[in-house]
Amino acid sequence: RKEVEQDPGPFNVPEGATVAFNCTYSNSASQSFFWYRQDCRKEPKLLMSVYSSGNEDGRFTAQLNRASQYISLLIRDSKLSDSATYLCVVPRGGGNNRKLIWGLGTSLAVNP
Amino acid sequence: DAGVIQSPRHEVTEMGQEVTLRCKPISGHDYLFWYRQTMMRGLELLIYFNNNVPIDDSGMPEDRFSAKMPNASFSTLKIQPSEPRDSAVYFCASSETGRSQPQHFGDGTRLSIL
Repeated sequence: RKEVEQDPGPFNVPEGATVAFNCTYSNSASQSFFWYRQDCRKEPKLLMSVYSSGNEDGRFTAQLNRASQYISLLIRDSKLSDSATYLCVVPRGGGNNRKLIWGLGTSLAVNP
Repeated sequence: DAGVIQSPRHEVTEMGQEVTLRCKPISGHDYLFWYRQTMMRGLELLIYFNNNVPIDDSGMPEDRFSAKMPNASFSTLKIQPSEPRDSAVYFCASSETGRSQPQHFGDGTRLSIL
């Protein structure tokens, strides 16, 4: 099993749709998780951090299921500007290890 | 506030040449990370520093790659000799202390080895 797995997509949705991405991870010791967004030919940027069971920020909701070892990202009322690749990120281990393991990303295209 | 600054933005060079990539982290950040991104392998951590000291270099592909951080405001990633398979986008990122602190990325260097 890969350390972090994401459905690569692409997801093609109309404006206003709700779309959800899942990410599975193998390291049960991981405590905090991240969703980053990467636009085409740009650098990754932090979208949300996920610590406990979940986190909500406007149209974006991230949920964590530790028992099943997956994280989800829900986007409501999608906008054209949401078109990007969404990267699931999981810390490698405990202690002072700062190494992050990055999924390959899920591509989203929001269409008019 | 200035973000992470990388140079050059683009580099095209011939196989066998030495390549040096530069990074200036955000002031006050004590962690610095070097990543490589390709379509096939995604983002891969090459090495990271804490307070200018290399902590984990297990991602450095081979001896042709080396990284230094002589002070808190500057780091280099060097490839010598370069090979076509080194072609990728190289990102530098920095973060503050604290496991939950996000990493802030520079614009990246697009490297093409002919």
